[in-house]
Amino acid sequence: DVKVTQSSRYLVKRTGEKVFLECVQDMDHENMFWYRQDPGLGLRLIYFSYDVKMKEKGDIPEGYSVSREKKERFSLILESASTNQTSMYLCASTPDSNYGYTFGSGTRLTVV
Amino acid sequence: QKEVEQNSGPLSVPEGAIASLNCTYSDRGSQSFFWYRQYSGKSPELIMSIYSNGDKEDGRFTAQLNKASQYVSLLIRDSQPSDSATYLCAVSDYGGSQGNLIFGKGTKLSVKP
Repeated sequence: DVKVTQSSRYLVKRTGEKVFLECVQDMDHENMFWYRQDPGLGLRLIYFSYDVKMKEKGDIPEGYSVSREKKERFSLILESASTNQTSMYLCASTPDSNYGYTFGSGTRLTVV
Repeated sequence: QKEVEQNSGPLSVPEGAIASLNCTYSDRGSQSFFWYRQYSGKSPELIMSIYSNGDKEDGRFTAQLNKASQYVSLLIRDSQPSDSATYLCAVSDYGGSQGNLIFGKGTKLSVKP
């Protein structure tokens, strides 16, 4: 089975901190994604990447950046955390859209 | 703006009944369709995929696709309390970026014992 591993299940950070969320997949998938999920708003795409060193903005990239230095790892960076970035963050990967996504277990981030 | 629409629910059914979850999508070129189950506090889990018109059965689950009507549904037979979750419909983003899916906001299903 494909495994998508997110480094932290729960995180609490202070306003203004720089936050790194890590995601690693073990099946050589080209495509990786970062979403946030909030009640009533569904999944919102932050950034995605279809190759090493490639990145594309999703629907809500403001306040975030990403890094993909290796194929298996896709990192989400909150440059200066704010309370409105408190959310569940989900990483996903896929070889292409015909296969659907495999999601990581999620990181529940609280910014105080 | 490409959209996937689902009734947010909650949809409440008694144990043993058939639960019917529906989804419509706007992108006529979409080729691949998926249902995800998400338990509270957990991440989405892929439970069904369907690519051609008609029905696809897997155990108690049946996915139905009608591309002409741009409609996808999921039937859960003999519903169990353990089926209580939010169900997300997702469709491939034809013409968009490679690998991208468009997700609905989900339907919350509650199965009452």
